[in-house]
Amino acid sequence: AQSVTQLGSHVSVSEGALVLLRCNYSSSVPPYLFWYVQYPNQGLQLLLKYTTGATLVKGINGFEAEFKKSETSFHLTKPSAHMSDAAEYFCAVSGGGTSYGKLTFGQGTILTVHP
Amino acid sequence: DAGVIQSPRHEVTEMGQEVTLRCKPISGHNSLFWYRQTMMRGLELLIYFNNNVPIDDSGMPEDRFSAKMPNASFSTLKIQPSEPRDSAVYFCASSTTGELFFGEGSRLTVL
Repeated sequence: AQSVTQLGSHVSVSEGALVLLRCNYSSSVPPYLFWYVQYPNQGLQLLLKYTTGATLVKGINGFEAEFKKSETSFHLTKPSAHMSDAAEYFCAVSGGGTSYGKLTFGQGTILTVHP
Repeated sequence: DAGVIQSPRHEVTEMGQEVTLRCKPISGHNSLFWYRQTMMRGLELLIYFNNNVPIDDSGMPEDRFSAKMPNASFSTLKIQPSEPRDSAVYFCASSTTGELFFGEGSRLTVL
């Protein structure tokens, strides 16, 4: 069984400031981890994913995340926020093999970026 | 390339009516997923198919819900009869490598 906890349903930052969105997971098998972004009235778009290998993963739009097994975390960061980053972000986990695409999502974090 | 196409984008219906949501996955993708998004429960996986075969429907809430995938390019999610608590955004996603590509969703309102 797998679960995801996103700490903070709302995060607010100033433009140019560091973005940090927190995600902790629970998994009975080696996890595959994902971050998705959702803009209003749209579907989800993949930002980045961790499957195996390098624990620091770089994604689109300047985002990156680091898989820390000892902390069961996969926090999302971006050095400098842009107004266009305002959206809802979802962390998700799946097992490998045939259940690779069967994702369990966190509750989401709404990111607000102030001028 | 066209993405995942869902229809209708918006549906308003009355309690007791049948609702059919449609999805056209990305050509060449062999897995298809139906998710439901609500404020209370977030994103929930309802059912997924591999090569048109239902693999896991444990997320389907009740017998009122059914899904089919008659061929590789089309899937339906049907609710009969619909209830107000079914109001949600229903997403279809397809995949070939495990990365999910989502449609823009069908927003269902049951009055």
